[in-house]
Amino acid sequence: DQQVKQNSPSLSVQEGRISILNCDYTNSMFDYFLWYKKYPAEGPTFLISISSIKDKNEDGRFTVFLNKSAKHLSLHIVPSQPGDSAVYFCAASAGGGTSYGKLTFGQGTILTVHP
Amino acid sequence: DVKVTQSSRYLVKRTGEKVFLECVQDMDHENMFWYRQDPGLGLRLIYFSYDVKMKEKGDIPEGYSVSREKKERFSLILESASTNQTSMYLCASSLASGSGDEQFFGPGTRLTVL
Repeated sequence: DQQVKQNSPSLSVQEGRISILNCDYTNSMFDYFLWYKKYPAEGPTFLISISSIKDKNEDGRFTVFLNKSAKHLSLHIVPSQPGDSAVYFCAASAGGGTSYGKLTFGQGTILTVHP
Repeated sequence: DVKVTQSSRYLVKRTGEKVFLECVQDMDHENMFWYRQDPGLGLRLIYFSYDVKMKEKGDIPEGYSVSREKKERFSLILESASTNQTSMYLCASSLASGSGDEQFFGPGTRLTVL
């Protein structure tokens, strides 16, 4: 049972344009969402996060939008750069004393930004 | 700067061998995690630990065990390696037990079981 889904395995975008990566979740208990970026042969690195009490969080070129009613979030990258080419993972966590900071990850989306 | 290190970047083992993957973090984090990453499946949690000598099963613990004797070190053990355990293994750590805490990842170990 995949509780966090990234339905697009890959996305190709031209440099300078907007990249939009999507993520859907099913568990209503999730209260925090994170995006990670992963280059080949490296571990994932944290990119941006959003709490369920917000609907938008922005950090430079990166903005995450959360639609709780639709159980959907998206990551916007504007403008896209060739260095953004990587695998992007959406992750979610549920609060509570026994969560221990566990994250549930999506399958990942490979973003390719063409010069 | 948080650092999570893993003992090997690449490992090749034979079917039936016992395999140890080591992970060390230097930020005094309470929580440590082991994941495997496979194409199309994302990161799947194998085991995690929230304190020394404490461990909890993740989503895919079968065929694996873990050990956490010291706060900074978390080991993943494949008791009898099989070809379906060929994968990228990622270790992570995080500071506290609240929701939304960022996990810091090591560089990964690419394990091939022949």
